[in-house]
Amino acid sequence: ETGVTQTPRHLVMGMTNKKSLKCEQHLGHNAMYWYKQSAKKPLELMFVYSLEERVENNSVPSRFSPECPNSSHLFLHLHTLQPEDSALYLCASSRVQGAGDTGELFFGEGSRLTVL
Amino acid sequence: GENVEQHPSTLSVQEGDSAVIKCTYSDSASNYFPWYKQELGKRPQLIIDIRSNVGEKKDQRIAVTLNKTAKHFSLHITETQPEDSAVYFCAASRGTGGFKTIFGAGTRLFVKA
Repeated sequence: ETGVTQTPRHLVMGMTNKKSLKCEQHLGHNAMYWYKQSAKKPLELMFVYSLEERVENNSVPSRFSPECPNSSHLFLHLHTLQPEDSALYLCASSRVQGAGDTGELFFGEGSRLTVL
Repeated sequence: GENVEQHPSTLSVQEGDSAVIKCTYSDSASNYFPWYKQELGKRPQLIIDIRSNVGEKKDQRIAVTLNKTAKHFSLHITETQPEDSAVYFCAASRGTGGFKTIFGAGTRLFVKA
């Protein structure tokens, strides 16, 4: 397996459920990201882990909780979500090398989340 | 906050025609401008990028132009083909890592055979 892999690809959950999205990258990158993709809206950065540093978008509700146990794995824990949280959640990775970084993001195919 | 405006939201062209997508950005410190293509049901993938020290870059049928003074940049696709049909996202970044990347809302391009 190469690239960025996300599981599950599809998830349906009730508002009281707890679930997790998983992302794994096999590119040797040192930064990983969660993006939310809703119809006709810009890709919205949720969380990023880069060189042990977590950068967080302040507008992300606490019902979304990220976890990055190492540079290859990233999780998004979901708890008491709302129907408006239904979207495609994209994981991405990149190689951060300071001033020499290209900034290119390598995306996974996404986890389609539906909250009932 | 910083943002990237992208136009048009939808673009329909005849096969063989050219397509142009335009973006403006607000963060004057942006110095890296990637374009991503997302086919239906697929992941976004980088197709071309440009840095602020260059005004134009071309890769086969795809070209990007940058006007730093006006803070806008454009994607040009010539001799369009049906397989060019996709959603295209522009983005602006300070180039210090993807976490500084701000995306536009996307342009859905339809190429009619």
